[in-house]
Amino acid sequence: EAGVAQSPRYKIIEKRQSVAFWCNPISGHATLYWYQQILGQGPKLLIQFQNNGVVDDSQLPKDRFSAERLKGVDSTLKIQPAKLEDSAVYLCASSFIGSTGELFFGEGSRLTVL
Amino acid sequence: AQSVAQPEDQVNVAEGNPLTVKCTYSVSGNPYLFWYVQYPNRGLQFLLKYITGDNLVKGSYGFEAEFNKSQTSFHLKKPSALVSDSALYFCAVRAFSGGYNKLIFGAGTRLAVHP
Repeated sequence: EAGVAQSPRYKIIEKRQSVAFWCNPISGHATLYWYQQILGQGPKLLIQFQNNGVVDDSQLPKDRFSAERLKGVDSTLKIQPAKLEDSAVYLCASSFIGSTGELFFGEGSRLTVL
Repeated sequence: AQSVAQPEDQVNVAEGNPLTVKCTYSVSGNPYLFWYVQYPNRGLQFLLKYITGDNLVKGSYGFEAEFNKSQTSFHLKKPSALVSDSALYFCAVRAFSGGYNKLIFGAGTRLAVHP
């Protein structure tokens, strides 16, 4: 079974530029999550989708971050304009409906903002 | 609100010795608890979970965790550490709201196993 795919693995940009990350979840997983992991901290949930609808975006900085999952499969997370404090690893995870909570993670996209 | 705490930033242990990585939790209702491991430049990998039943849960790579309701703890253990166990370990608790699951993670504990 293929795992959660993410790209790019690494991205370096200057502040005020924009960046986009892509995620393709495990086939059949209806729930998709984007987590932000800042160095030395645990992952923090940014946004959660169920199929193509948002169920939780309470911690998403909506003035600069956006995400979509138009067809209920793959998803894109965008940051515009980026700030220095956005330097982090962006982790995508998925799970199936009815899961007891176990999430399956991709390898992450590491963003460095200079 | 649900939360987890990992009181140790780093745990050092000699290869072959037993290891313990500590986690305490705060939840309303019955806890669903998880341990994940993260190797350098990799995503998080599931190790084990506690939902209900036996307080000692066995997982991947020889790890186990002990659920203690009175102490609100869920410590990760392994009888004999390997150098290859060196990684970052995260404890997590499930938050269930409006019919949807999400995981809330602790800050992580770095495990260093020395030869």
